[in-house]
This record gives sequence, C-alpha cells and structure tokens, in this order.
Amino acid sequence: GAVVSQHPSRVICKSGTSVKIECRSLDFQATTMFWYRQFPKQSLMLMATSNEGSKATYEQGVEKDKFLINHASLTLSTLTVTSAHPEDSSFYICSARGGPLTDTQYFGPGTRLTVL
Amino acid sequence: GESVGLHLPTLSVQEGDNSIINCAYSNSASDYFIWYKQESGKGPQFIIDIRSNMDKRQGQRVTVLLNKTVKHLSLQIAATQPGDSAVYFCAEKMKGGKLIFGQGTELSVKP
Repeated sequence: GAVVSQHPSRVICKSGTSVKIECRSLDFQATTMFWYRQFPKQSLMLMATSNEGSKATYEQGVEKDKFLINHASLTLSTLTVTSAHPEDSSFYICSARGGPLTDTQYFGPGTRLTVL
Repeated sequence: GESVGLHLPTLSVQEGDNSIINCAYSNSASDYFIWYKQESGKGPQFIIDIRSNMDKRQGQRVTVLLNKTVKHLSLQIAATQPGDSAVYFCAEKMKGGKLIFGQGTELSVKP
C-alpha cells in the first residue's frame, strides 16, 4: 500500500512553545490529508481536513488558531501546535488520500507530543 | 449525532481460533467502510474495506461482512495468530471523504 511518513515521531517541548509536525506521502500525490489526535486507550478523533492549495476545514471544537495546518504541496502537510500546553499532549496522526476518486486513506506512524 | 460504535471493547481468543469483531454504524447513507488495525504506538494499518453495494468481502485470513438492514459491520479473522493482537477500528466514510472511527476493540491472542 501507499506510504505516509511523519516527522518527528516523538517530541517533548516546554509549555508555551510551538511544535511543527510534518506529514508526507512518499510514493503518491495526496490531494487531501487529514489530521487526527488520539488519547490513550481512545479512538482517533478527526481534527481537520487539509486540501492542497486551500484552507483547511476544521472539525467542530478544534481551534484553528491553535492548530495551524498548511498543505503547500501534493506530498506535504504540516500541523503546528501553537503555544502548546500540557493538555495538548497526545498522539497526532495524519492520513492521506490519493485523489478525489480514491476513498482509502493511508495513515502515518503518528507523532507523540509531550508538553511539559 | 452520527457515530460508529463497537459492541465489545476487549476480545480475548486462543491462538488458532477465529475472531469476530463487531461494529454498529448509525448513518444509513454511508457507502464505504474500512477496518484498521493499530498496534501500540503506531498509526492505523489498513486491513480491508467494503462498499455498501456488497455484503461480504474476503481478504487474506480476513472477511468483512456488511448488514445494511441493521447497520452492522463485522471483521472476521481466521486462525488468529499472536501477531494479530492489536486494537481494531471500524471507520465510516462521511461527506467530504473524512472518516469517523468507532471506539475500537482490543484483541488479545493467547498462545
């Protein structure tokens, strides 16, 4: 199947700092990428839908000014957690869809964010 | 609101037995469903999918059944192996292509 990578895999930061997470589709062009967060022992919760060249669509309750998403190319989307706080500590996972005619989403390995 | 849920949060089976993981969905208009496997600390891994115009689809050791009448989805794993131990999620495709995930079932395989 298609390969999606994330970087970094793990990050620890101080409260108040910003953290950028990258999501790349390695062997296909992803017109749409999705960002999820997952707390321990819980399911994945969709945060936003990222379309190449346009603004992201955020799910209800997700602060767009806190979770900045940029999808500048067909192979890269970034999620920036601004002014991170301990409650933002979570497992962040991205997924990529190959195109409008494809429903299957391929997931990255996730990024573990710990805010001290 | 619309949601996808699972009946059993945990499932323990003996190695070699068959496993059945269930899922209920609420949106009768959904036309695409996926099962994912997630190992600890990793991202979800695609297992198998099914469209609403099908009742059954088979893969290698896995079968997905879709019952649209009662809005129920199941994943069957044949001859379960220790490597199958993970959390399994069903997901339902919504408008715009986004997926809504069920709560997950943790499968534990005893040797």
